[in-house]
Amino acid sequence: EAQVTQNPRYLITVTGKKLTVTCSQNMNHEYMSWYRQDPGLGLRQIYYSMNVEVTDKGDVPEGYKVSRKEKRNFPLILESPSPNQTSLYFCASSSYRGEQFFGPGTRLTVL
Amino acid sequence: GIQVEQSPPDLILQEGANSTLRCNFSDSVNNLQWFHQNPWGQLINLFYIPSGTKQNGRLSATTVATERYSLLYISSSQTTDSGVYFCAVPLSGGYNKLIFGAGTRLAVHP
Repeated sequence: EAQVTQNPRYLITVTGKKLTVTCSQNMNHEYMSWYRQDPGLGLRQIYYSMNVEVTDKGDVPEGYKVSRKEKRNFPLILESPSPNQTSLYFCASSSYRGEQFFGPGTRLTVL
Repeated sequence: GIQVEQSPPDLILQEGANSTLRCNFSDSVNNLQWFHQNPWGQLINLFYIPSGTKQNGRLSATTVATERYSLLYISSSQTTDSGVYFCAVPLSGGYNKLIFGAGTRLAVHP
C-alpha cells in the first residue's frame, strides 16, 4: 500500500530534550516536506527537500533540522524543543508537481 | 502570494443532506487538492483536480481554473463526513509547497 508513515504518533517531552520524528514514504517520491498545524494559523511549511541531500527552509524553520540521506526518509529533528513547538506535525511527499500525500500526523507536546 | 479562501467556514447538516463547499484562489494554478481532516487529525486525500470534474462515491469535485474556483459536493452526508475540509494549491515556483485555505468545519448530526 502506498503510504507515508510517521513515528511517533504522539509524544510528550520536556524542554531541551532532543527528539526526532521519523518520516518514510514508499512511493519513490522526490519531494518531501514537513508542515506544522496550529489553531488559527493553519498549516505552515517547516522544511522541504527536492531530492537526496537537497533541503531548504520553508516558512517556519527556526528550531528545526532535517536531513535527506535516503530518498524514502526525511526525519525532523528538534535539537532543543521549547513549548512553542507544541503542535501537530505532518510529513508529506509527492512526485515533482504531483499530488501530495500526507502522513498520519504526530502530536507533540513540549512541557 | 496566492490567497486561498474557503466558504462557508462552518456547516451543520442533518444526516442525509447535501452540501457544497467552495474554494476560491487568487492566481492561476496548475493543480488543486481537496483534503478531509478527520476528528483524529489525519489529512485524507479526497481529490487531485487541476480542472474538470471528478467523482468518488458520494463526493465529487469541480475545478474551473479559468474562473479560479473549485467546488466540493457532498451528497447524502453521513456522520463520518464530519471534520474539516481543506483545499490547497501549490505556490508558483514554490517547489510543491501547498497553500491551504482556512478550511470548512462540517458537523453532520444523526
